[in-house]
Amino acid sequence: DTGVSQNPRHKITKRGQNVTFRCDPISEHNRLYWYRQTLGQGPEFLTYFQNEAQLEKSRLLSDRFSAERPKGSFSTLEIQRTEQGDSAMYLCASSSSAIGTNSYEQYFGPGTRLTVT
Amino acid sequence: GQNIDQPTEMTATEGAIVQINCTYQTSGFNGLFWYQQHAGEAPTFLSYNVLDGLEEKGRFSSFLSRSKGYSYLLLKELQMKDSASYLCAVRDLNQAGTALIFGKGTTLSVSS
Repeated sequence: DTGVSQNPRHKITKRGQNVTFRCDPISEHNRLYWYRQTLGQGPEFLTYFQNEAQLEKSRLLSDRFSAERPKGSFSTLEIQRTEQGDSAMYLCASSSSAIGTNSYEQYFGPGTRLTVT
Repeated sequence: GQNIDQPTEMTATEGAIVQINCTYQTSGFNGLFWYQQHAGEAPTFLSYNVLDGLEEKGRFSSFLSRSKGYSYLLLKELQMKDSASYLCAVRDLNQAGTALIFGKGTTLSVSS
């Protein structure tokens, strides 16, 4: 396994359009996280899945954002009616809750850079 | 992360030692993490502290005092490749479950 992968790596869209990003976690990891990072800031938590269940969602997350993990493997993050303020790097991370693993360690993907014009 | 404070920038020279401090406030503390992030790349895990004390891993060490809400990352024998952003993060079970709450990061510049 080569780690967490994300697609696309870059996305340019016009304001008002919908966009969808995909994250493929490390195969044996059951936990998957979405974060957003803007320039000069640390990553900001958006939402978290354990298997297919969405267990946590940031209070700051607009209802234009939705995430799914239908089979407990890959996840998608959709942003509807994009705004210029949505321009950021969207990072996905995964970890394992299995006994005997370093369950605290989150492995990050390379991110999808979104630019809304 | 509004509850996590760390210096914005630090500079140091090759071969030196640098200490990056982090203070935090949580209601459900469940671990403190340090990540390294080079420009344009994803964060990579450096260290994890959940109990008080010092964790050493090669040139990097991390310290935690839960009663003071304080941690530091110590980098020894600095190399040019250590120039990066260093992110302090906490896991607060009352805020975001097992997700991480990050500080804004400390940009470290290492010069020769």
